[in-house]
Amino acid sequence: DAKTTQPPSMDCAEGRAANLPCNHSTISGNEYVYWYRQIHSQGPQYIIHGLKNNETNEMASLIITEDRKSSTLILPHATLRDTAVYYCIVRVATMPSGNTPLVFGKGTRLSVIA
Amino acid sequence: DGGITQSPKYLFRKEGQNVTLSCEQNLNHDAMYWYRQDPGQGLRLIYYSQIVNDFQKGDIAEGYSVSREKKESFPLTVTSAQKNPTAFYLCATQVSANNSPLHFGNGTRLTVT
Repeated sequence: DAKTTQPPSMDCAEGRAANLPCNHSTISGNEYVYWYRQIHSQGPQYIIHGLKNNETNEMASLIITEDRKSSTLILPHATLRDTAVYYCIVRVATMPSGNTPLVFGKGTRLSVIA
Repeated sequence: DGGITQSPKYLFRKEGQNVTLSCEQNLNHDAMYWYRQDPGQGLRLIYYSQIVNDFQKGDIAEGYSVSREKKESFPLTVTSAQKNPTAFYLCATQVSANNSPLHFGNGTRLTVT
C-alpha cells in the first residue's frame, strides 16, 4: 500500500496557484518525497522531489513541513495543461542501498478551470 | 520520455494467448520497471530489474514474466495465467544513483477479449 494520503480531487482556477497537499505521517528519516503527474493516457512525468528542505524548479515548488509528516506541491500559475492526476510518493526503502521501487497511490485529480 | 519506447501503443489479444510487450530505452539507465494501471487507479509494480540478467518480483508478478538480456531492453510477457490482463502497462527507467527520478514511456494499452 502507498504510504501517502492525498485528496482524490481538486479544482483550481486558471492563472491561480494550485496547492496540492500530501500526508506522509510514517515517513522515515532517509525517505524522500517525490511528485509525479499523469496526463490522461500518458506515462507519469516527474515533477520534483525533496528530503526536508523546500525545493523549487521550473515546474513547481515543494514545501515540506518541519516534522516531514506532510508536504504541499505548488504550481504557481496553473494552466489548463496542468490538468492531470498528481501523485505524491514516499520512496520505499526495501534495500539498504541502490534503487528501490516507487509505490504509487491513487493521487489527486487536479482540474484547472478556465 | 523520448528515450523510452513502448510498442505498440494499443494491443489486442484473444484470451488464452501469451503476449509480449516491448520496452526499449536509449538513456543508458541501469534500472527498469514495469507497472500496471487499471482505470481510475494508481500504478502497481509488476517486475523490476536493477542490472542485466537480474530482476525481482513486484507486488503483482503472478501471471507475468520478464527478461533482461540487454541493458536497453526489458520485455514483459503477459501469460494466459494472468486472470485480468486488460490494462494500461507502463515501463520506466532510472539511473543507478539513489533517489534519482523515474522516467516513463507512454505505455501500451492491452485489451484481451
